[in-house]
Amino acid sequence: SAVISQKPSRDICQRGTSLTIQCQVDSQVTMMFWYRQQPGQSLTLIATANQGSEATYESGFVIDKFPISRPNLTFSTLTVSNMSPEDSSIYLCSVEGLSSTDTQYFGPGTRLTVL
Amino acid sequence: RKEVEQDPGPFNVPEGATVAFNCTYSNSASQSFFWYRQDCRKEPKLLMSVYSSGNEDGRFTAQLNRASQYISLLIRDSKLSDSATYLCVVAPGWGKLQFGAGTQVVVTP
Repeated sequence: SAVISQKPSRDICQRGTSLTIQCQVDSQVTMMFWYRQQPGQSLTLIATANQGSEATYESGFVIDKFPISRPNLTFSTLTVSNMSPEDSSIYLCSVEGLSSTDTQYFGPGTRLTVL
Repeated sequence: RKEVEQDPGPFNVPEGATVAFNCTYSNSASQSFFWYRQDCRKEPKLLMSVYSSGNEDGRFTAQLNRASQYISLLIRDSKLSDSATYLCVVAPGWGKLQFGAGTQVVVTP
C-alpha cells in the first residue's frame, strides 16, 4: 500500500480562522478522498479530490467551506474555512488501493480543535 | 436508517476466547465489503476484504450474506492486541466507501 502523510498532525484554532491540511502520497494515485470523523462517530466522506478539475462534494459539504486542491497525482489539500467549534474533528485523507480500487488506505489524520 | 449499521459494543472478551459480531447494510447493489480496524486516535487500517464465499486470515474469519445483507467478523483466540474498534465498510460503487460507526472490542487478561 502507499505511504500517506498528513500535515499538520493536530492543531488548535480560533473560530473564524481557516486551516489548510496537506496530504502527500509516495506514489501516484488517481483517486484521493477527504473524510471527517467527529468524536465518537464513524467516517463521513467530504469529497473526492480530482486531479485537474474541481473536487466532487458529498451532500452536506460545499466548496466554500471545504475548498480542496489537487495539483498533481501525489498531493492534495483540504481547507477548513471560517471554522466554528462544530468543525472540531479528525480529518483524514485516503487513496485508492493499488490492487483494488474499492479498497482505500488512510493517512494518519489531522486532529483539529476549534475554540 | 443508516446505510451501514453495527452494534457499537463494547464486546468484552477474555483473552483466548472467540468473539463474533455483525453489521448490516442497506444498499443491495453494494459491490465490495471490508473490515477495517481502528485503534484509539489512529487512522483506520484495512483488516480484510469480505468475499461471498467467506474468507479467513489467520484468526480472523469474515462472512458475507448477500440475501440478508449482513457481514460478520469472527476473531478466534483473542489477543490483547485485538482490542480496537472494528469498522464495517461497504463499497456501493463509484470508488466510494460507506462506514459503519464501529464495534468496540476489549480483550481482557
